Amino acid sequence: SAVISQKPSRDICQRGTSLTIQCQVDSQVTMMFWYRQQPGQSLTLIATANQGSEATYESGFVIDKFPISRPNLTFSTLTVSNMSPEDSSIYLCSVTDFVANVLTFGAGSRLTVL
Amino acid sequence: QQQVKQSPQSLIVQKGGISIINCAYENTAFDYFPWYQQFPGKGPALLIAIRPDVSEKKEGRFTISFNKSAKQFSLHIMDSQPGDSATYFCAASKSTYNDMRFGAGTRLTVKP
Repeated sequence: SAVISQKPSRDICQRGTSLTIQCQVDSQVTMMFWYRQQPGQSLTLIATANQGSEATYESGFVIDKFPISRPNLTFSTLTVSNMSPEDSSIYLCSVTDFVANVLTFGAGSRLTVL
Repeated sequence: QQQVKQSPQSLIVQKGGISIINCAYENTAFDYFPWYQQFPGKGPALLIAIRPDVSEKKEGRFTISFNKSAKQFSLHIMDSQPGDSATYFCAASKSTYNDMRFGAGTRLTVKP
């Protein structure tokens, strides 16, 4: 299955700032997703990153807060904008690839907002 | 988004015992039911998955039992080992994966 690299692996940020998380995959993939996992909680889908077009957001998530880019079949970014302590979470990139046809996750980016 | 209910929230099992985690779903359009295993500091990793055309799937010590009429499925871990200690998530989706819904997770501890 695809190998996913996320950067940064963790960061501590100040309230009101923005942080961009990068997701790089070692092979071309069909679909890329961004999930949020709050401390001790389940995984919640933020959006589907569509190549060459605007991301598709789930209910409760908006583009102004979580802008997403996907310029090609192997790379995507998620920005967490105007952060507040409530945004402290693990943000996970996930992909489905052409071959394995399973949903694979990166190790996640642990974000702490002070 | 919570369309999959998972229980128990935590589970403690002795080494060699059987661990059982249960899930129930609501959307009858779901046709793919995976289980993910997550260790601290790591992303979830696919453990085993089933589709509704079969009632059971076994891979090594891990078995999924599926009851379509009850809209329930469960994970059985036979001969549980301390290395199985992790958080387990059940999930459900339609085949396209763009609507994967996860359960709340079960923290399993296997005591030596």
